[in-house]
Amino acid sequence: GAGVSQSPSNKVTEKGKDVELRCDPISGHTALYWYRQSLGQGLEFLIYFQGNSAPDKSGLPSDRFSAERTGGSVSTLTIQRTQQEDSAVYLCASSLRGQGAEPQHFGDGTRLSIL
Amino acid sequence: GQNIDQPTEMTATEGAIVQINCTYQTSGFNGLFWYQQHAGEAPTFLSYNVLDGLEEKGRFSSFLSRSKGYSYLLLKELQMKDSASYLCAVSGLRDDKIIFGKGTRLHILP
Repeated sequence: GAGVSQSPSNKVTEKGKDVELRCDPISGHTALYWYRQSLGQGLEFLIYFQGNSAPDKSGLPSDRFSAERTGGSVSTLTIQRTQQEDSAVYLCASSLRGQGAEPQHFGDGTRLSIL
Repeated sequence: GQNIDQPTEMTATEGAIVQINCTYQTSGFNGLFWYQQHAGEAPTFLSYNVLDGLEEKGRFSSFLSRSKGYSYLLLKELQMKDSASYLCAVSGLRDDKIIFGKGTRLHILP
């Protein structure tokens, strides 16, 4: 596709349920990033993939959060046993090689609401 | 520690000039980005600075001083559509971690 695609655009679920968020980066981009943005707040870095590898998972808020990327393309962010504090917009971004000078291209995000 | 500071909100008048400041303290420095984010939309890239000095791009310019850990985004000839949040972000020692500030919400008055 022309840009970064995320699905679903909105997700409402009950506390305690598991959710899976999907990100389809720009074709050919090897670097993929996940961020979380709470209302009125900045972007909180979660995890970075270079190809299928995530060298540093320390940004994930808890062990309920996990992410994977297969085929160097699509990535999924999974949140298990969701809590109300998980409510936020989850943004995915990609860049060509993941080098410091490259701008990141963002998707429109998934707005997650935990009831 | 890692810290990026920018004002929470600013207000300016259509047609005027506004300067949004950003100070940072990070472990290592690989470059500084500015992004624009309209309400309910994804951030979009505005500028990138890695060397000291001013980078001009149309109505927007970005300045960096590495020795002072300081940057600013200058917006000229303000238009109503410039009402948005402006995010300062620093790429640290490692490419895999980009630190974003909380953003400056800019209000443009007619």
